[in-house]
This record gives sequence, structure tokens and C-alpha cells, in this order.
Amino acid sequence: DAGVIQSPRHEVTEMGQEVTLRCKPISGHDYLFWYRQTMMRGLELLIYFNNNVPIDDSGMPEDRFSAKMPNASFSTLKIQPSEPRDSAVYFCASSLAGQGDGYTFGSGTRLTVV
Amino acid sequence: AQSVTQLGSHVSVSEGALVLLRCNYSSSVPPYLFWYVQYPNQGLQLLLKYTSAATLVKGINGFEAEFKKSETSFHLTKPSAHMSDAAEYFCAVGHGGATNKLIFGTGTLLAVQP
Repeated sequence: DAGVIQSPRHEVTEMGQEVTLRCKPISGHDYLFWYRQTMMRGLELLIYFNNNVPIDDSGMPEDRFSAKMPNASFSTLKIQPSEPRDSAVYFCASSLAGQGDGYTFGSGTRLTVV
Repeated sequence: AQSVTQLGSHVSVSEGALVLLRCNYSSSVPPYLFWYVQYPNQGLQLLLKYTSAATLVKGINGFEAEFKKSETSFHLTKPSAHMSDAAEYFCAVGHGGATNKLIFGTGTLLAVQP
């Protein structure tokens, strides 16, 4: 398996623009997680899905952020409108329920909002 | 509720010296415990895991960790540091239950001096 695949690796956008980050989890994994990492706040869980259904979105910072998982092999995290304070590295991770295998992380998307 | 505390946000060792990164956890159920490593500009990579089998767990790159229930600890060690070990290390706790949710520590940045 190719692992968790995120795209793009880098994104630079202007304030106010819409940004869409993409994630393809490992085939067969039934949990998907979106994290944000910054120097100031560390690793933050934004939202996670089980079998394509959002389970906990309490970490989503505000209504400008939304996430979807239309099928088992694809998820998006959208920011609209983007702001400079959204600049961070966004990670997607997937896992298999109850197996104690932990998460497999993607390589992340480095977002810069100017 | 579960939580994890990593003592020391920055640790510096000399090449060849012992590496000791501390992690204490809190869990009301038997925990699963993980150490992840993050190299610069990369995602988090699983280093090792404890899932109620042997209390001394060996991982990749010569690292190991010992689960001590009486001390609620899961410290990460390596007998001899290498320059390539310089990275950020995250401890995480979960229980593989219905939520499959891991709680991550705030990370410890390991510097290795020549």
C-alpha cells in the first residue's frame, strides 16, 4: 500500500481565497483523522470520521473550516475564506478500529496564507 | 479520561550518549501506548507501540520503551544517540476502543550534538 496520500504538499494562497486539502487513506482503514500542527499550538485534532461519518468535529476552529468524506477512499478539508492565522501543516491520518496499530500519517500539506 | 504528559519539550544529548525521553500517561482502562517520531518536514512515523503484550517494547532505529504500570510511565530510550535521531518525538495513549482515538503529548524535540 502507498500509505496515506495527501495533496498538495505545499499550498500558498491569498487571504480570502478558498483552500481545499485532500487525503486518500489506506485502503481498508475505517477511521480518518485531520490534524493541524503549528509551532504555537502543537498537534491539534480537528475532526475525525468513522466509516465516512464525522464523529467529532469539536476541534474545528470555526465555521470557515469544513470537512467531508464522500467515500472510504477520499476526504477533503476546506477553508473558506482563508486567513493568515490558518497557516500551518495539516496532516491526515487513518487507522483500523480496535487493532491497536495506531495511526498512519500522511506527509502533510504545508499551507501558507499571505 | 485519558491524557499523556511528556516531560521536557527540548532534550539535548551528545552523539553516543543515552537518549531518555519521558512520557507519563493517565488512563482509566488498560492503555495502548505509542511513540511516534517526526523528522523535519515529514509526517509522524510510528516508532513503537505497547498493546498489553511484553512490557519492554522494541522499535525501529534501536529505540525501546518500557511500560511501567506502577509508575504510569512509558519512557523512550536508546543506548547510543546518533545524529540522525534528531527529530521531534510524540507519545500517545489510546485504548483501541470504539472511538479509536489517540491522545498525543505535546512532543519532545531531541537535539544530538556532535
